[in-house]
Amino acid sequence: GAGVSQSPSNKVTEKGKDVELRCDPISGHTALYWYRQRLGQGLEFLIYFQGNSAPDKSGLPSDRFSAERTGESVSTLTIQRTQQEDSAVYLCASSLGPDGETQYFGPGTRLLVL
Amino acid sequence: DQQVKQNSPSLSVQEGRISILNCDYTNSMFDYFLWYKKYPAEGPTFLISISSIKDKNEDGRFTVFLNKSAKHLSLHIVPSQPGDSAVYFCAASTDSGAGSYQLTFGKGTKLSVIP
Repeated sequence: GAGVSQSPSNKVTEKGKDVELRCDPISGHTALYWYRQRLGQGLEFLIYFQGNSAPDKSGLPSDRFSAERTGESVSTLTIQRTQQEDSAVYLCASSLGPDGETQYFGPGTRLLVL
Repeated sequence: DQQVKQNSPSLSVQEGRISILNCDYTNSMFDYFLWYKKYPAEGPTFLISISSIKDKNEDGRFTVFLNKSAKHLSLHIVPSQPGDSAVYFCAASTDSGAGSYQLTFGKGTKLSVIP
């Protein structure tokens, strides 16, 4: 596609429920990243996928967070047993390759956990 | 522990004047720096970058200056236009090695350009 797309754009959920966020990267981009931005904070790195390599999960804040990517296309970020502190904008980005390539961001998914 | 700091949460500038957005970093391993611009309800968009081997990079109305000894960079916008009103994020990464793709972002500075 022309840009990175994310769905849903907004999600309201109750504490304890699971949520799944989706990211469609730019076609041909081998690298995909998830970030989150909590209110008043900068973007925090969560996870990175590059081709068929094992993902870098070093930014995931807890084991309630997981992500998958199918080949070099769609990625889903799953948050299990959501907590109020998970409320944030979750941003996906993709780049043509790793290591210094410009990252192109999607519009984000705004998650509110009540 | 904020490794990238943007100490001014907001900045107002008159149209036509210069906007200067500042960013400080603490991690001496950072050697690649980027500025992103973000409009409400949109993802950040890449604006300009600079490698540590340079002290200045210019692209049209946007210039980024890097002072490695002070661990400080700044973004200059001249002349400022109302369409520049947005939140500007400073980001940094290491240029090579494990984790070089990880961007560390500041909290952002909201720029308002007044017509």
